[in-house]
Amino acid sequence: DTGVSQDPRHKITKRGQNVTFRCDPISEHNRLYWYRQTLGQGPEFLTYFQNEAQLEKSRLLSDRFSAERPKGSFSTLEIQRTEQGDSAMYLCASSLVSKIGPGSTNYGYTFGSGTRLTVV
Amino acid sequence: DAKTTQPTSMDCAEGRAANLPCNHSTISGNEYVYWYRQIHSQGPQYIIHGLKNNETNEMASLIITEDRKSSTLILPHATLRDTAVYYCIVSLHSNSGYALNFGKGTSLLVTP
Repeated sequence: DTGVSQDPRHKITKRGQNVTFRCDPISEHNRLYWYRQTLGQGPEFLTYFQNEAQLEKSRLLSDRFSAERPKGSFSTLEIQRTEQGDSAMYLCASSLVSKIGPGSTNYGYTFGSGTRLTVV
Repeated sequence: DAKTTQPTSMDCAEGRAANLPCNHSTISGNEYVYWYRQIHSQGPQYIIHGLKNNETNEMASLIITEDRKSSTLILPHATLRDTAVYYCIVSLHSNSGYALNFGKGTSLLVTP
């Protein structure tokens, strides 16, 4: 396993179209995150999964965005009816969390190289 | 999560130590200081993190002041490949689903 993989690396789409991105995390990692990064800004948190359960969503995740992690392995992020403001780098990260509750240990994030979306 | 303040940009000569400061005056007692970096067109890369004590690994050293209100990331012998945006982040170290708040970071340019 060489790390977190994202596909595609680049996507150009017309406004109003739907797009879907895929993320394959490190295989033993139980947590998966999606971030969005616009030019000149740091990454912004969108959502995360613990195994197959989506546990948190940011206010940035509008109704047009949906994320899934059906079997607790890979994840998809879909954007419906894309807008020019959706143009950004979409980053996926994964981590291993050893326990639930007090005394848990998070071994840090590993990020993928991202999918750059351009909406024209 | 506590807010961090970093300089927008810094330069460093190749082979010299790069010292990147970060202010986090509102940090709470159970929050860790994390450092990540992002090389152009790549995802962020974890560098180091700490709570109270200074930390060192193969990439860098992290110096945290006694009052924990600021920290410095040290790259002991900067190379051209260390040119990147460096993010100082304060966050809880737990499994509660914390999101990392990256901010804008410091753009470090290592020059020949």
